[in-house]
Amino acid sequence: KAGVTQTPRYLIKTRGQQVTLSCSPISGHRSVSWYQQTPGQGLQFLFEYFSETQRNKGNFPGRFSGRQFSNSRSEMNVSTLELGDSALYLCASSLYGRDTQYFGPGTRLTVL
Amino acid sequence: SQQGEEDPQALSIQEGENATMNCSYKTSINNLQWYRQNSGRGLVHLILIRSNEREKHSGRLRVTLDTSKKSSSLLITASRAADTASYFCATVNTDKLIFGTGTRLQVFP
Repeated sequence: KAGVTQTPRYLIKTRGQQVTLSCSPISGHRSVSWYQQTPGQGLQFLFEYFSETQRNKGNFPGRFSGRQFSNSRSEMNVSTLELGDSALYLCASSLYGRDTQYFGPGTRLTVL
Repeated sequence: SQQGEEDPQALSIQEGENATMNCSYKTSINNLQWYRQNSGRGLVHLILIRSNEREKHSGRLRVTLDTSKKSSSLLITASRAADTASYFCATVNTDKLIFGTGTRLQVFP
């Protein structure tokens, strides 16, 4: 089985711009979760989608949004980028959301 | 917010030694999972222990869970240089998976 893929792997944006990150889960997995990882805050849960519905949401501002398509692929969008949004964004897929998470390699976002 | 706190934050050992990392959490859980992350990469699942289990083994890994103390430990026996990574515990309650702060393990050859 192919693993979780994330595109792009690296991204450089400037403040005020918006960005869309993509995640393709393992075939058959219906849950996709997104995490933000920074040296200061560690791994922070952003949101989880299950069968195209947002099931859980972390404590992030409304600038962070996501969606999931019928094929379980997911995108997350960050609008009006701030310097503090620079981070490694990880997505993970699983069968049910509470079981083993399979992580992608991440997208490294740098905001200048 | 972080559910789990790992201890120690950093650990340096020689190859062949054992490494023990601890995780404490705050609320009741369904299961607890341990993950490894090599520098700047995605996380790799190591082991999952359910709330009704007390100990679990996988190769050189041994995980214990004490729900009364809200704590878990990960033991890596006979460590290798390739075990150098950050290790995270993640707890699952009714609605989400929350990661701890991580332990950075350095294994010197």
